[in-house]
Amino acid sequence: EIVLTQSPGTLSLSPGERATLSCRASQTISSSYLAWYQHKPGQAPRLLVYGASSRATGIPDRFSGSGSGTDFTLTISRLEPEDFAVYYCEQYGTSPPTFGGGTKVEIK
Amino acid sequence: EVQLLESGGGLAQPGGSLRLSCAASGFSFSSYGMSWVRQPPGKGLEWVSSISGSGGLTYYADSVKGRFTISRDNFKNTLYLQMNSLRAEDTAGYYCAKIPVAGQWYFDLWGRGTLVTVSS
Repeated sequence: EIVLTQSPGTLSLSPGERATLSCRASQTISSSYLAWYQHKPGQAPRLLVYGASSRATGIPDRFSGSGSGTDFTLTISRLEPEDFAVYYCEQYGTSPPTFGGGTKVEIK
Repeated sequence: EVQLLESGGGLAQPGGSLRLSCAASGFSFSSYGMSWVRQPPGKGLEWVSSISGSGGLTYYADSVKGRFTISRDNFKNTLYLQMNSLRAEDTAGYYCAKIPVAGQWYFDLWGRGTLVTVSS
């Protein structure tokens, strides 16, 4: 199965700053089938990006996804207070779908 | 309102059984594949199982194959996960999730989850 490694494990930033989250795959992800999710404690995870760069319905344009092959990035251009959460990438190009270990974006 | 609501979690003994349910509302349930995804305490997300919209096709992670059974009742708009022969490593929050595009297993709607604890 494809292993996804997310870095950094924790990102300490202030509101208004830019966040850059990385997701690296152990092998090429076919068709750029890579998704990003936001997860807050006690809440349902929320889909942010699919197909590596397509924003999900209702997601603000400060969230953007990029990358291909084995290297993918989620960028949050200007952090809002509600953006502090854990972010996961998921590949769904090869069965079984797998998730990265997550990046926690915390308030500095 | 479009939502998924899980129930049925709790404490089970090793070797025991539990059945999880996920009630769907606000969308055409039978038109979409559904999945279960779990998160062990302090760890990341793990795909568990998926089922097609009709219920005719089912898929399982190797870690649960032969022990868990996914099913759905499209009249009741409900997804199920029957968990047998439970192990300590099955302890996790279990989420149901909607697959928006057949054959592309990303998830555009999730529930808040239900906690399963396997312990003696």
